[in-house]
Amino acid sequence: GAVVSQHPSRVICKSGTSVKIECRSLDFQATTMFWYRQFPKQSLMLMATSNEGSKATYEQGVEKDKFLINHASLTLSTLTVTSAHPEDSSFYICSARDPDGFSYEQYFGPGTRLTVT
Amino acid sequence: GENVEQHPSTLSVQEGDSAVIKCTYSDSASNYFPWYKQELGKGPQLIIDIRSNVGEKKDQRIAVTLNKTAKHFSLHITETQPEDSAVYFCAATGSSGGYQKVTFGIGTKLQVIP
Repeated sequence: GAVVSQHPSRVICKSGTSVKIECRSLDFQATTMFWYRQFPKQSLMLMATSNEGSKATYEQGVEKDKFLINHASLTLSTLTVTSAHPEDSSFYICSARDPDGFSYEQYFGPGTRLTVT
Repeated sequence: GENVEQHPSTLSVQEGDSAVIKCTYSDSASNYFPWYKQELGKGPQLIIDIRSNVGEKKDQRIAVTLNKTAKHFSLHITETQPEDSAVYFCAATGSSGGYQKVTFGIGTKLQVIP
């Protein structure tokens, strides 16, 4: 199946700093990528849909100025958490849609554990 | 929007027994239903999926059934093994405002007891 990677896998940052998380589709080109957030023992919550070459679409309640998404190429999307605070600590997961597969199939990255101190 | 309910939230079975996880969805326009397995500290992994024009799909020890009329679908794992222990998420996918959105269930923590 299609492979999606994320970097870093874990990051610890101080309150007030910004953190960038990368999501890459390794063996396919992804016109659409998705960013999710998952709290401990909870389900995945869609934050935004990232489309290559255009602005991301954010879900209701997600601050687009705080969670900056850039999908500059067909294999890379980045999520930048700006001015991070402890409440931003979470597990962030990206997924990518394989355009050669059924249009709804998504492949998930391994996730990034963000801890803000 | 779509609402997906999943139960049970936790499930313990003896090794070799079967496990069944059930989900219901609310949006009749949803037409793709994937199941994901998530191990601790990892991203979800697609294990099986079913489309709305199919009632049942099987892949070795894993099967999924879909009842569109009742808007529910189920995951069946037979001959469970300890490595099946994980959190399983059901999901429903449909178009919303031109984008395909995946709505996840709350997850089922499956424990297979050796």
